[in-house]
Amino acid sequence: AQKVTQAQTEISVVEKEDVTLDCVYETRDTTYYLFWYKQPPSGELVFLIRRNSFDEQNEISGRYSWNFQKSTSSFNFTITASQVVDSAVYFCALSERAAAGNKLTFGGGTRVLVKP
Amino acid sequence: DTEVTQTPKHLVMGMTNKKSLKCEQHMGHRAMYWYKQKAKKPPELMFVYSYEKLSINESVPSRFSPECPNSSLLNLHLHALQPEDSALYLCASSQERGQETQYFGPGTRLLVL
Repeated sequence: AQKVTQAQTEISVVEKEDVTLDCVYETRDTTYYLFWYKQPPSGELVFLIRRNSFDEQNEISGRYSWNFQKSTSSFNFTITASQVVDSAVYFCALSERAAAGNKLTFGGGTRVLVKP
Repeated sequence: DTEVTQTPKHLVMGMTNKKSLKCEQHMGHRAMYWYKQKAKKPPELMFVYSYEKLSINESVPSRFSPECPNSSLLNLHLHALQPEDSALYLCASSQERGQETQYFGPGTRLLVL
């Protein structure tokens, strides 16, 4: 069975600080996808990034960056120079190809609070 | 355009009521999903439709009845719900090939009295 663990339940930072969210996963699949979603207080889950298991190249997109390390089964996410608008719950997720359809296994989420 | 819309935004219903949640996408996706999310928890998968056919039912009670009238629409019919069914109900859609990204709607906040 697949499993995603986000050990940090809540992180509080002051604006402009960097914040790194940890994600560790378990799977027996050799081909899989990892995702990060953001859920602001409004409730909508906003897609941030998708990575497949063969692409360990780290990525930077604006203030966001991701560090995928297959050897340690980790897919960490960093927000640089945090802003109040970054306050949200962030979910790491692992995709499982079921018999019919795709199933996402979510981590427990990390609540990020950015104070002005 | 990666928009999934859901109506209503909020719903309050009694345990004897019948109501429906609606979800719509115009991205040409052929897979659609219903998730239930309780406060401070991650979303939990309820149903998956693939090419308008129910492909996954995660042992959801029969008081929740999904329907996919066409490739753009997904409904969730609610009947005789319990207070513990109060939650945020999220709809998502994705391409039906490989392990494609699921795009989520804003959700319906349901309160069962």
